Amino acid sequence: EDQVTQSPEALRLQEGESSSLNCSYTVSGLRGLFWYRQDPGKGPEFLFTLYSAGEEKEKERLKATLTKKESFLHITAPKPEDSATYLCAVHSGTGGYQKVTFGTGTKLQVIP
Amino acid sequence: KAGVTQTPRYLIKTRGQQVTLSCSPISGHRSVSWYQQTPGQGLQFLFEYFSETQRNKGNFPGRFSGRQFSNSRSEMNVSTLELGDSALYLCASSRTDSYGYTFGSGTRLTVV
Repeated sequence: EDQVTQSPEALRLQEGESSSLNCSYTVSGLRGLFWYRQDPGKGPEFLFTLYSAGEEKEKERLKATLTKKESFLHITAPKPEDSATYLCAVHSGTGGYQKVTFGTGTKLQVIP
Repeated sequence: KAGVTQTPRYLIKTRGQQVTLSCSPISGHRSVSWYQQTPGQGLQFLFEYFSETQRNKGNFPGRFSGRQFSNSRSEMNVSTLELGDSALYLCASSRTDSYGYTFGSGTRLTVV
């Protein structure tokens, strides 16, 4: 059974204090790994898709990387507006049976 | 362009009743997926529809059902509501060749 584990569950950072969020996964037939950001009361907002080990993507203060067993979301010099829950999801399977499995997220709080 | 629209935004139902939730995907998106989100379980996959056919289904009881219309709009139905069905129900759509989902804002269902 596919498993996605995110750590830590919660993270509190001072503004400007860089850190990384982890997403480790065990899936059969990885087709892609997604990162989303979710604000309270809203649906997840798409950030990145990574397809193969070694791939990296950046957007503003965020950088996502992928290995064969895990992905990291690096946050450089975060600001209070980066406070949100960050979700990782893996797309797996082949042929007619494919699915997306989400982790339970990391709740990030950035203190001014 | 318009995003994924879910209606209603909030709903309060009594145990034993049934409920229908609606989702209008982004124009041109033929795949619609439904998720249940609760604080304890995170995002749990319910089912996915593509061109009016259910393509994948998660591990939920038969009380949860859905359908997709020819215009790609989708509905989700829950019969014989239980207190544990209280959750945020999220709909997501994607293009035919991509699983970079775009989520709606969700329907907050409360069962009393």
